[in-house]
Amino acid sequence: NAGVTQTPKFRVLKTGQSMTLLCAQDMNHEYMYWYRQDPGMGLRLIHYSVGEGTTAKGEVPDGYNVSRLKKQNFLLGLESAAPSQTSVYFCASSFTTSTEAFFGQGTRLTVV
Amino acid sequence: AQTVTQSQPEMSVQEAETVTLSCTYDTSESDYYLFWYKQPPSRQMILVIRQEAYKQQNATENRFSVNFQKAAKSFSLKISDSQLGDAAMYFCAYKGPSYGGATNKLIFGTGTLLAVQP
Repeated sequence: NAGVTQTPKFRVLKTGQSMTLLCAQDMNHEYMYWYRQDPGMGLRLIHYSVGEGTTAKGEVPDGYNVSRLKKQNFLLGLESAAPSQTSVYFCASSFTTSTEAFFGQGTRLTVV
Repeated sequence: AQTVTQSQPEMSVQEAETVTLSCTYDTSESDYYLFWYKQPPSRQMILVIRQEAYKQQNATENRFSVNFQKAAKSFSLKISDSQLGDAAMYFCAYKGPSYGGATNKLIFGTGTLLAVQP
């Protein structure tokens, strides 16, 4: 069982470059989330989705965009990467609001 | 807005002893869900335990139990008979009610790094 899969696992970007992180889940979950994890700051919610075709802003949405065109995929885009976006990014999904969230393995992104 | 606070950045416990990790949260909702997640050095996020706010009984999972104090908005995790494999970062998390919308966010505290001494 694949669960939640994030692509890529590691990436180095130059300032100003763009990229898309892909999150795919095969559990038919309605809810999907993107977080960033920084030392001493826990996991901060960037954007989330409560269903196909819907997205909403989290705590730290600036500099990121997302799309949920298909239920199983949730894409996180960085249009113009900045060093402040160096972080570990996690995708998560859950079936309902009351059930546990399943996490991907994380993407370590470095912006130089 | 909902917030989750973990006031202990680091904790240490002797193997076989008991340790309690603290978590407080703020919400105006009466129906919500609370979680503890474990993140070992592998970076994988693992669910430890879940508590529904409408349940008065504290959740337990083997050596892990919680002390849920709804009025005080407190949700602490107790680990009994600590093992070396329990060493990890522990995150407390809050999720809003089922009828949600904007309150369907899953939000986390800043984490507590637990060291287990042999």
